[in-house]
Amino acid sequence: ILNVEQSPQSLHVQEGDSTNFTCSFPSSNFYALHWYRWETAKSPEALFVMTLNGDEKKKGRISATLNTKEGYSYLYIKGSQPEDSATYLCASRGGNTPLVFGKGTRLSVIA
Amino acid sequence: DGGITQSPKYLFRKEGQNVTLSCEQNLNHDAMYWYRQDPGQGLRLIYYSQIVNDFQKGDIAEGYSVSREKKESFPLTVTSAQKNPTAFYLCASSVQPPSGGRETQYFGPGTRLLVL
Repeated sequence: ILNVEQSPQSLHVQEGDSTNFTCSFPSSNFYALHWYRWETAKSPEALFVMTLNGDEKKKGRISATLNTKEGYSYLYIKGSQPEDSATYLCASRGGNTPLVFGKGTRLSVIA
Repeated sequence: DGGITQSPKYLFRKEGQNVTLSCEQNLNHDAMYWYRQDPGQGLRLIYYSQIVNDFQKGDIAEGYSVSREKKESFPLTVTSAQKNPTAFYLCASSVQPPSGGRETQYFGPGTRLLVL
Protein backbone atom coordinates (compact mmCIF):
# COMPACT_ATOMS: atom_id res chain seq x y z
CA ILE A 1 0.00 0.00 0.00
CA LEU A 2 1.37 3.41 -1.01
CA ASN A 3 2.21 5.49 2.10
CA VAL A 4 1.27 9.18 2.24
CA GLU A 5 2.48 11.19 5.21
CA GLN A 6 1.34 14.64 6.29
CA SER A 7 2.92 16.97 8.81
CA PRO A 8 2.24 18.51 11.16
CA GLN A 9 -0.76 16.59 12.46
CA SER A 10 -2.28 19.81 13.79
CA LEU A 11 -1.46 23.47 13.75
CA HIS A 12 -2.72 26.57 15.59
CA VAL A 13 -1.99 29.98 14.08
CA GLN A 14 -3.09 33.53 14.72
CA GLU A 15 -5.30 35.33 12.26
CA GLY A 16 -3.10 37.03 9.67
CA ASP A 17 -0.20 34.58 10.01
CA SER A 18 0.99 32.69 6.98
CA THR A 19 1.49 28.96 7.32
CA ASN A 20 2.45 25.89 5.38
CA PHE A 21 2.31 22.14 5.73
CA THR A 22 3.82 19.15 4.02
CA CYS A 23 2.70 16.04 2.21
CA SER A 24 5.23 13.27 1.49
CA PHE A 25 4.61 10.45 -0.93
CA PRO A 26 6.62 7.79 -2.79
CA SER A 27 8.35 9.40 -5.76
CA SER A 28 8.56 6.21 -7.80
CA ASN A 29 5.75 5.59 -10.28
CA PHE A 30 4.08 8.89 -9.33
CA TYR A 31 0.83 9.75 -11.08
CA ALA A 32 -0.96 12.63 -9.35
CA LEU A 33 -1.19 14.55 -6.10
CA HIS A 34 -4.49 15.94 -4.78
CA TRP A 35 -5.20 18.43 -1.99
CA TYR A 36 -8.62 18.60 -0.31
CA ARG A 37 -10.05 20.86 2.39
CA TRP A 38 -12.43 19.33 4.91
CA GLU A 39 -14.35 21.74 7.09
CA THR A 40 -16.20 20.49 10.15
CA ALA A 41 -19.73 19.24 9.37
CA LYS A 42 -19.10 19.53 5.62
CA SER A 43 -17.83 17.24 2.87
CA PRO A 44 -14.21 17.31 1.71
CA GLU A 45 -13.73 19.69 -1.22
CA ALA A 46 -10.99 19.59 -3.82
CA LEU A 47 -8.39 22.35 -3.77
CA PHE A 48 -5.78 21.24 -6.30
CA VAL A 49 -4.74 18.36 -8.51
CA MET A 50 -1.11 18.39 -9.59
CA THR A 51 0.77 16.01 -11.85
CA LEU A 52 3.97 17.63 -13.12
CA ASN A 53 7.21 18.15 -11.23
CA GLY A 54 7.51 21.83 -10.38
CA ASP A 55 3.77 22.41 -10.66
CA GLU A 56 2.45 25.36 -8.71
CA LYS A 57 -1.25 25.99 -8.21
CA LYS A 58 -2.98 28.93 -6.57
CA LYS A 59 -6.53 29.63 -5.41
CA GLY A 60 -6.91 32.95 -3.62
CA ARG A 61 -4.63 32.92 -0.58
CA ILE A 62 -3.90 29.21 -0.87
CA SER A 63 -1.16 27.78 -3.06
CA ALA A 64 0.60 24.47 -3.50
CA THR A 65 3.84 23.22 -4.98
CA LEU A 66 4.91 19.79 -6.13
CA ASN A 67 8.27 18.04 -6.22
CA THR A 68 7.83 14.60 -7.74
CA LYS A 69 11.55 13.77 -7.77
CA GLU A 70 11.87 13.95 -4.00
CA GLY A 71 8.25 13.08 -3.26
CA TYR A 72 6.74 16.06 -1.46
CA SER A 73 4.17 18.80 -1.83
CA TYR A 74 3.72 21.95 0.21
CA LEU A 75 0.46 23.74 0.85
CA TYR A 76 0.75 27.44 1.75
CA ILE A 77 -1.88 29.72 3.24
CA LYS A 78 -1.10 33.41 3.19
CA GLY A 79 -2.68 35.64 5.81
CA SER A 80 -4.73 32.91 7.52
CA GLN A 81 -8.35 33.70 8.34
CA PRO A 82 -10.70 31.91 10.76
CA GLU A 83 -12.61 30.49 7.79
CA ASP A 84 -9.43 28.65 6.75
CA SER A 85 -9.83 26.43 9.81
CA ALA A 86 -10.24 22.91 8.48
CA THR A 87 -8.45 19.63 7.97
CA TYR A 88 -6.31 19.63 4.85
CA LEU A 89 -5.95 16.24 3.20
CA CYS A 90 -3.47 15.25 0.58
CA ALA A 91 -3.79 12.13 -1.54
CA SER A 92 -1.45 10.54 -4.03
CA ARG A 93 -1.73 8.07 -6.85
CA GLY A 94 1.01 5.77 -8.07
CA GLY A 95 0.37 4.11 -11.39
CA ASN A 96 -3.06 2.79 -12.16
CA THR A 97 -4.20 2.64 -8.55
CA PRO A 98 -6.80 4.58 -6.58
CA LEU A 99 -5.96 7.61 -4.45
CA VAL A 100 -4.29 7.01 -1.11
CA PHE A 101 -4.98 9.67 1.51
CA GLY A 102 -2.76 10.96 4.26
CA LYS A 103 -4.12 11.48 7.78
CA GLY A 104 -4.50 15.21 7.24
CA THR A 105 -3.31 18.39 8.92
CA ARG A 106 -5.86 20.03 11.20
CA LEU A 107 -5.51 23.83 11.03
CA SER A 108 -7.07 26.13 13.62
CA VAL A 109 -6.91 29.87 12.99
CA ILE A 110 -7.41 31.93 16.11
CA ALA A 111 -9.02 35.35 15.71
CA ASP B 1 -28.87 20.56 -7.35
CA GLY B 2 -26.15 18.19 -8.50
CA GLY B 3 -24.34 16.29 -5.86
CA ILE B 4 -23.89 13.19 -3.78
CA THR B 5 -26.32 12.17 -1.10
CA GLN B 6 -25.74 9.67 1.66
CA SER B 7 -28.35 8.40 4.01
CA PRO B 8 -28.88 8.18 6.83
CA LYS B 9 -26.62 10.70 8.57
CA TYR B 10 -26.47 8.52 11.69
CA LEU B 11 -27.06 4.80 11.84
CA PHE B 12 -27.25 2.52 14.81
CA ARG B 13 -26.79 -1.20 14.48
CA LYS B 14 -26.93 -4.08 16.87
CA GLU B 15 -23.94 -6.32 16.93
CA GLY B 16 -24.31 -9.20 14.48
CA GLN B 17 -26.65 -7.38 12.11
CA ASN B 18 -25.95 -6.40 8.54
CA VAL B 19 -26.63 -2.79 7.58
CA THR B 20 -26.66 -1.00 4.22
CA LEU B 21 -25.47 2.55 3.69
CA SER B 22 -26.90 4.45 0.75
CA CYS B 23 -24.94 6.58 -1.73
CA GLU B 24 -26.57 8.29 -4.70
CA GLN B 25 -25.09 10.78 -7.18
CA ASN B 26 -26.67 12.79 -9.97
CA LEU B 27 -23.39 14.09 -11.39
CA ASN B 28 -23.31 11.46 -14.14
CA HIS B 29 -19.95 10.27 -12.80
CA ASP B 30 -18.55 6.93 -13.89
CA ALA B 31 -16.51 6.09 -10.81
CA MET B 32 -17.70 5.79 -7.21
CA TYR B 33 -15.84 5.07 -4.00
CA TRP B 34 -16.41 4.15 -0.37
CA TYR B 35 -14.05 5.33 2.36
CA ARG B 36 -13.91 4.76 6.06
CA GLN B 37 -12.51 7.23 8.57
CA ASP B 38 -11.52 6.41 12.13
CA PRO B 39 -10.20 8.91 14.71
CA GLY B 40 -6.59 9.80 13.95
CA GLN B 41 -6.67 7.97 10.64
CA GLY B 42 -6.86 9.13 7.07
CA LEU B 43 -9.54 8.08 4.64
CA ARG B 44 -9.14 4.39 3.87
CA LEU B 45 -10.59 2.93 0.70
CA ILE B 46 -13.10 0.11 1.14
CA TYR B 47 -14.38 -0.51 -2.39
CA TYR B 48 -14.52 1.37 -5.67
CA SER B 49 -16.35 1.00 -8.94
CA GLN B 50 -15.27 2.32 -12.30
CA ILE B 51 -18.36 1.29 -14.23
CA VAL B 52 -21.78 -0.23 -13.73
CA ASN B 53 -21.75 -3.92 -12.72
CA ASP B 54 -18.06 -3.80 -11.88
CA PHE B 55 -16.21 -3.02 -8.63
CA GLN B 56 -12.85 -3.66 -7.00
CA LYS B 57 -11.69 -4.15 -3.43
CA GLY B 58 -9.83 -1.35 -1.74
CA ASP B 59 -7.39 -1.63 1.13
CA ILE B 60 -9.90 -2.68 3.80
CA ALA B 61 -12.67 -4.60 2.01
CA GLU B 62 -13.01 -7.45 4.51
CA GLY B 63 -16.45 -7.49 6.11
CA TYR B 64 -18.00 -5.22 3.49
CA SER B 65 -19.87 -5.77 0.25
CA VAL B 66 -21.09 -3.46 -2.52
CA SER B 67 -23.16 -3.48 -5.68
CA ARG B 68 -23.27 -1.20 -8.71
CA GLU B 69 -26.45 -1.99 -10.60
CA LYS B 70 -27.05 1.62 -11.62
CA LYS B 71 -24.60 4.37 -12.51
CA GLU B 72 -25.99 6.72 -9.89
CA SER B 73 -26.07 4.31 -6.95
CA PHE B 74 -23.34 2.50 -5.01
CA PRO B 75 -24.69 1.04 -1.74
CA LEU B 76 -22.32 -0.36 0.88
CA THR B 77 -23.32 -3.25 3.14
CA VAL B 78 -21.51 -3.61 6.42
CA THR B 79 -21.79 -7.27 7.30
CA SER B 80 -21.60 -9.00 10.65
CA ALA B 81 -18.15 -10.20 9.59
CA GLN B 82 -16.78 -6.68 9.99
CA LYS B 83 -15.14 -6.82 13.42
CA ASN B 84 -15.06 -3.12 14.19
CA PRO B 85 -17.73 -1.37 12.11
CA THR B 86 -18.16 1.77 14.22
CA ALA B 87 -16.75 4.56 12.03
CA PHE B 88 -17.55 7.46 9.73
CA TYR B 89 -18.24 6.38 6.14
CA LEU B 90 -17.76 8.67 3.15
CA CYS B 91 -18.91 8.05 -0.40
CA ALA B 92 -17.31 9.83 -3.36
CA SER B 93 -17.53 9.92 -7.13
CA SER B 94 -15.36 11.12 -9.98
CA VAL B 95 -15.94 11.92 -13.60
CA GLN B 96 -13.47 9.39 -15.01
CA PRO B 97 -12.48 5.90 -14.04
CA PRO B 98 -9.47 5.99 -11.71
CA SER B 99 -6.88 5.51 -14.42
CA GLY B 100 -6.17 9.11 -15.43
CA GLY B 101 -4.98 10.32 -12.06
CA ARG B 102 -6.27 13.83 -12.45
CA GLU B 103 -9.94 13.34 -11.72
CA THR B 104 -11.24 15.25 -8.73
CA GLN B 105 -13.32 13.29 -6.28
CA TYR B 106 -16.59 14.75 -5.03
CA PHE B 107 -17.70 13.64 -1.60
CA GLY B 108 -21.03 13.08 0.09
CA PRO B 109 -21.81 14.29 3.63
CA GLY B 110 -21.03 10.93 5.22
CA THR B 111 -22.81 8.43 7.46
CA ARG B 112 -21.74 7.79 11.03
CA LEU B 113 -22.32 4.16 11.98
CA LEU B 114 -22.50 3.18 15.61
CA VAL B 115 -22.66 -0.44 16.70
CA LEU B 116 -24.50 -0.93 19.97
